Amino acid sequence: AQSVTQLGSHVSVSEGALVLLRCNYSSSVPPYLFWYVQYPNQGLQLLLKYTTGATLVKGINGFEAEFKKSETSFHLTKPSAHMSDAAEYFCAVRTNTGFQKLVFGTGTRLLVSP
Amino acid sequence: ETGVTQTPRHLVMGMTNKKSLKCEQHLGHNAMYWYKQSAKKPLELMFVYNFKEQTENNSVPSRFSPECPNSSHLFLHLHTLQPEDSALYLCASSQGQGGDTQYFGPGTRLTVL
Repeated sequence: AQSVTQLGSHVSVSEGALVLLRCNYSSSVPPYLFWYVQYPNQGLQLLLKYTTGATLVKGINGFEAEFKKSETSFHLTKPSAHMSDAAEYFCAVRTNTGFQKLVFGTGTRLLVSP
Repeated sequence: ETGVTQTPRHLVMGMTNKKSLKCEQHLGHNAMYWYKQSAKKPLELMFVYNFKEQTENNSVPSRFSPECPNSSHLFLHLHTLQPEDSALYLCASSQGQGGDTQYFGPGTRLTVL
């Protein structure tokens, strides 16, 4: 069964520093992978997704993620953190067996300090 | 209104009450979902509707009863809930069912006393 693991429930960075949020997936077939962001008191918003093709995917708000099959990873990065990036980030994989659905990780809370 | 809306945003209810959560999507999508988000746990998919037909019931207790009168509206009827049902309930929609890109509403924060 497909699954994702997010390493680190909390990540703290300073404003202007590199953001790196880690996601590893488990899938026996080529996966569809997603990153969602959740700001306080809001629902989830799609940041970016990987389906097929180019392995470096660019999303909104300056975020990008690279699909690395050899490492079964789909880490999310942003070169320079802004205070407004403070939120919870969820990695998800689409299941490819039976009923197709999204399986989410447990989330990583990004804290940005001035 | 645009996107996916949910009402109410906050709900406090006793264990013997009956209440309903409402979700409406203005995106012309065919599929709608209910998720439960509890602290320190992954999002739990509860129900899926595709073209008004329920296609997934993820072993949800019968005290949660979904209703989908049309492709734009989704309800979650609640009765005799337990304190452990306190959570953020999120509604989502997508053009196709299953893993297609899902668009989420802001959620209803439910507290069961």
